[in-house]
Formats: sequence, C-alpha cells, structure tokens
Amino acid sequence: GESVGLHLPTLSVQEGDNSIINCAYSNSASDYFIWYKQESGKGPQFIIDIRSNMDKRQGQRVTVLLNKTVKHLSLQIAATQPGDSAVYFCAENGAGTALIFGKGTTLSVSS
Amino acid sequence: GAVVSQHPSWVICKSGTSVKIECRSLDFQATTMFWYRQFPKQSLMLMATSNEGSKATYEQGVEKDKFLINHASLTLSTLTVTSAHPEDSSFYICSANRNRDGGTDTQYFGPGTRLTVL
Repeated sequence: GESVGLHLPTLSVQEGDNSIINCAYSNSASDYFIWYKQESGKGPQFIIDIRSNMDKRQGQRVTVLLNKTVKHLSLQIAATQPGDSAVYFCAENGAGTALIFGKGTTLSVSS
Repeated sequence: GAVVSQHPSWVICKSGTSVKIECRSLDFQATTMFWYRQFPKQSLMLMATSNEGSKATYEQGVEKDKFLINHASLTLSTLTVTSAHPEDSSFYICSANRNRDGGTDTQYFGPGTRLTVL
C-alpha cells in the first residue's frame, strides 16, 4: 500500500545547529502535507503545513520544502534548541480527510 | 486557538471492564474527529473516523463492537473500550478537523490518554 515514510529514525544535533528532517511519500495524489512534533507522553503538535501547489513555506524558525518530482518533504529547523527534542512525524492527506503518518524521526539536541 | 482536550489523561482498569475516553474541541466545532492508538516508539495508527450525527468509520482490523465511538455533538466524541484486556493497553489519541486558511482541514490533536489494563 501507499505510505509516508521518513529516511532516518534518529537525528542528533548540537544546540544552535540547523536540523533537517526528511520524509518520502509515495501517494502522488496527496495534496496536503503536515509536520507534527510529539514530545514524550503527549499528543502530536501541529508545526507547519504545505499544500501541493507550493514548494516552500516558512514559519517561525521552521521551513517546509516540498519536492513533488521526487515525492520528498523536508522540515528545516533553524538554530535548534534543546526544547526541539522530540519525535517529528510527517503526514499526508491524500484521498480523504484521514491522515497517513510516517514512522517518525527522533530529534535529539545536545547542549 | 484549535485546542483539543482529552479526559482522562490516564486510566488503569481491571481486565473485563469498560473505559470511556472523551475528546473535546474547546474553541472550535468539529464535524469530524479521529481516534488513533499509539504503541511505544511507534507511529500513530488510525482506528476510526468519527462523524457528528452519523456512524463512525472504522479502519480495517479495528473491531467496532469493541471500540465504540459516539460523536454526539460538534465538540465531543467519545471512545469506549469495552471489555478491556491487557492487549488494549496503549496510548489513545484523538484529533479534530479544523478548517484553516479558508480551504484546508487540518487535524489538531488532543494530549492523549494512557490506558493500562491489568
């Protein structure tokens, strides 16, 4: 079946570095993508979203890039802070209202 | 805005009992809510889609008679785990759809409910 996946299960960075978390999706009909952050024992928190008619969207310290040609999504976090340590999930909203989640990347930020 | 709450945050029950989990959208109305379960170090698995005023749509492999869903109002959906067993122990998370930017529905998640069945 079609699914959303992430390239790396874990990513370790130093405080202040920029982080890039990647996601590959397979459903070419997907037209909406979301990045969520989940801290231990909590529900996912919306970070940023992007529609398929865009290739880049910026938020506060975060940027999402969408490459529809290779079906690739990335989340860039500038000046990563210890509070950014969490599991990051990409999700796609393809044919319906339900989301398909990737497996998640655990970001660890060391001081 | 877009706050979703769940109650209880955690619950411990005996095997064979039923547990009800509430999901509320606090500052917006949601015609569609979703229920997920998540095992340790795994991604979220969609269990069912809850539609206000109609029957829930369950994902393949999810027993509708075991996981009863009721979406009685635009701000409340409930999940009842009937005759719970230890294998039902998990982290249950709900989400609610909210329209953003005038055209796209985005899911906002509750804080989750940790269920432990003894």
